[in-house]
Amino acid sequence: AQRVTQPEKLLSVFKGAPVELKCNYSYSGSPELFWYVQYSRQRLQLLLRHISRESIKGFTADLNKGETSFHLKKPFAQEEDSAMYYCALSGLGNFNKFYFGSGTKLNVKP
Amino acid sequence: KAGVTQTPRYLIKTRGQQVTLSCSPISGHRSVSWYQQTPGQGLQFLFEYFSETQRNKGNFPGRFSGRQFSNSRSEMNVSTLELGDSALYLCASSLGGPGADTQYFGPGTRLTVL
Repeated sequence: AQRVTQPEKLLSVFKGAPVELKCNYSYSGSPELFWYVQYSRQRLQLLLRHISRESIKGFTADLNKGETSFHLKKPFAQEEDSAMYYCALSGLGNFNKFYFGSGTKLNVKP
Repeated sequence: KAGVTQTPRYLIKTRGQQVTLSCSPISGHRSVSWYQQTPGQGLQFLFEYFSETQRNKGNFPGRFSGRQFSNSRSEMNVSTLELGDSALYLCASSLGGPGADTQYFGPGTRLTVL
C-alpha cells in the first residue's frame, strides 16, 4: 500500500544549525516525491520536487530508492524556515493523486 | 494571476444535513483536486477532476461526491453529514498535464458538524 511517513511531529533547531526533515515512503511503482510547506497563516505551497533536482531557499532533497527515503535538508537553518513541512508522493499513471505525510513542524529558534 | 479561491470559508452544519463546497481554480488550470485535512488523519485525497471528468478517487464513502464544470470550477458535496466529517477541506488546482503537477492550494473551507 502507498504510504508516506514523517516520523517527527516537531523538530526544533537553533538558527544556523543544520536541519534534516525525514520522509520515508512505501510505493510499488515509480514514485514522484515532493515537499510542500505551509508558513504561518499562508497556504500550502510547493517547496521542491525530486524531478527538478533544484535547491529552493537552500533546501535540497535526494530520492533514495534503496532506502525509500526523500529527506529534506538545509545546512544552515533560518528563523524564516519555521513552518509545517509535508512530504508527498504520487506515481506514474496516478496523475494528481497524492499521498501526504502527517507533516513535521520545524521550529527554528534564534 | 488570482489564486485558488474556496467558498464558503466556514460552515456549521448538523448531522444528517448535506453540504456543498465550491472551488475556483487558477485561470488556465484544468485539474482540481480535493483533500480532507484533520488532526488525526492529516491530508487525505478525496478525488481529482480534469476536463469535467473524475480522473482519480481516494478511499472515501459514496457520501462524498464532486463535479467539475466547463469553466473548471469544481464543487464537492457531502451528504448525510457525520460528526467525523468535521475537517478542513482543501482544494488544489493544477495544469493537468501528464504526470503529477505542482498543486496550488486554496485557503480551505472549515466544516464543523454538530
